[in-house]
Amino acid sequence: DQQVKQNSPSLSVQEGRISILNCDYTNSMFDYFLWYKKYPAEGPTFLISISSIKDKNEDGRFTVFLNKSAKHLSLHIVPSQPGDSAVYFCAASEVGANSKLTFGKGITLSVRP
Amino acid sequence: DTAVSQTPKYLVTQMGNDKSIKCEQNLGHDTMYWYKQDSKKFLKIMFSYNNKELIINETVPNRFSPKSPDKAHLNLHINSLELGDSAVYFCASSPNGGSEQYFGPGTRLTVT
Repeated sequence: DQQVKQNSPSLSVQEGRISILNCDYTNSMFDYFLWYKKYPAEGPTFLISISSIKDKNEDGRFTVFLNKSAKHLSLHIVPSQPGDSAVYFCAASEVGANSKLTFGKGITLSVRP
Repeated sequence: DTAVSQTPKYLVTQMGNDKSIKCEQNLGHDTMYWYKQDSKKFLKIMFSYNNKELIINETVPNRFSPKSPDKAHLNLHINSLELGDSAVYFCASSPNGGSEQYFGPGTRLTVT
């Protein structure tokens, strides 16, 4: 029962272009969404988040968009850089859940120089 | 000055053994977590402690026993290890139980 789905296992983009990573969820009680980035042999690192009362949050090259009606969010990275190559996890938490995070399976992003 | 540290980084052991993984955070956070990343790469929460008190226990076998001697430490003890326990275990912490969690580097446990 995957409540957070990242259906594309991998994405390859050219340096300087836009990377768009998608995430879908099924639990309508989720109200906070996060993206984590993970390099090999390291723990996930928090990247950016968005509350369900917003539809967009931007931090430098990273922007997260939330479409609540479609239960869909996406992470845009522009311009993409080789150092962005990593696994990106989408995560969600629901109201009153003691900050329990439900993670997707992750997307491996490769940025080609 | 690692924020969330775990020891050991790698652990290879035989079925039936008992092992512990230690976690420490120097961020002053109140809440700490244990996650398991299985072979299918899903990160799933196992436990959460807030100020040494258990607040999340996600139907984990009782062979797994977390212990929090103080709010900066959350150790994971596993009894009678099974092959299916092989995974990467991540410790994390957050301020005031917030969703933005800071992860340790992980402990890769291999049970043979």
